Amino acid sequence: DAGVTQSPTHLIKTRGQQVTLRCSPKSGHDTVSWYQQALGQGPQFIFQYYEEEERQRGNFPDRFSGHQFPNYSSELNVNALLLGDSALYLCASSPGLAEDTQYFGPGTRLTVL
Amino acid sequence: GDSVTQMEGPVTLSEEAFLTINCTYTATGYPSLFWYVQYPGEGLQLLLKATKADDKGSNKGFEATYRKETTSFHLEKGSVQVSDSAVYFCALSESGNTGKLIFGQGTTLQVKP
Repeated sequence: DAGVTQSPTHLIKTRGQQVTLRCSPKSGHDTVSWYQQALGQGPQFIFQYYEEEERQRGNFPDRFSGHQFPNYSSELNVNALLLGDSALYLCASSPGLAEDTQYFGPGTRLTVL
Repeated sequence: GDSVTQMEGPVTLSEEAFLTINCTYTATGYPSLFWYVQYPGEGLQLLLKATKADDKGSNKGFEATYRKETTSFHLEKGSVQVSDSAVYFCALSESGNTGKLIFGQGTTLQVKP
């Protein structure tokens, strides 16, 4: 049973660039959430996708956007990168909106220079 | 808003010592409570959960009891191993079933042989 997978593992970008991160949920899961984890901190909720729509959003600017595809996989896009966007980006999935247990992928380490 | 507070780390123990990591929460409703573990360079793994007052979550020798009267969910293990060295995160599901997990800042555990 494949767990949550994310790609790429690591990414280096420069300020002002744009980045796309990808996530495939655990088998049987249709809900995907994204979190940002700065070094030494707990994860912070970015947004959640269900039925290809953004259902909930955390306190992140519009530079952060996402998409969910019919096969439930998801992308996180960040535009106009800032140094402060350097973090581990975690994807989590769950089997529906009513289930509050989320299973996390290994993350994508983004470094902005 | 809802929040989670964990004890400051790092916690350094000798192998076979007893472990307690304190976690308290603030929530307007009746959230589910979680402990996640993060090993170096990896994503978060669900360790255990509890969904209502007086529930005890347990896994791999770790336990935590949902204490509504003290708004606490302390993590315990009777005998730690070197392999338990990791960062431990306490989390709750935000009231209103928003799909958002709110995390504490994490507690680093170092177990020495």
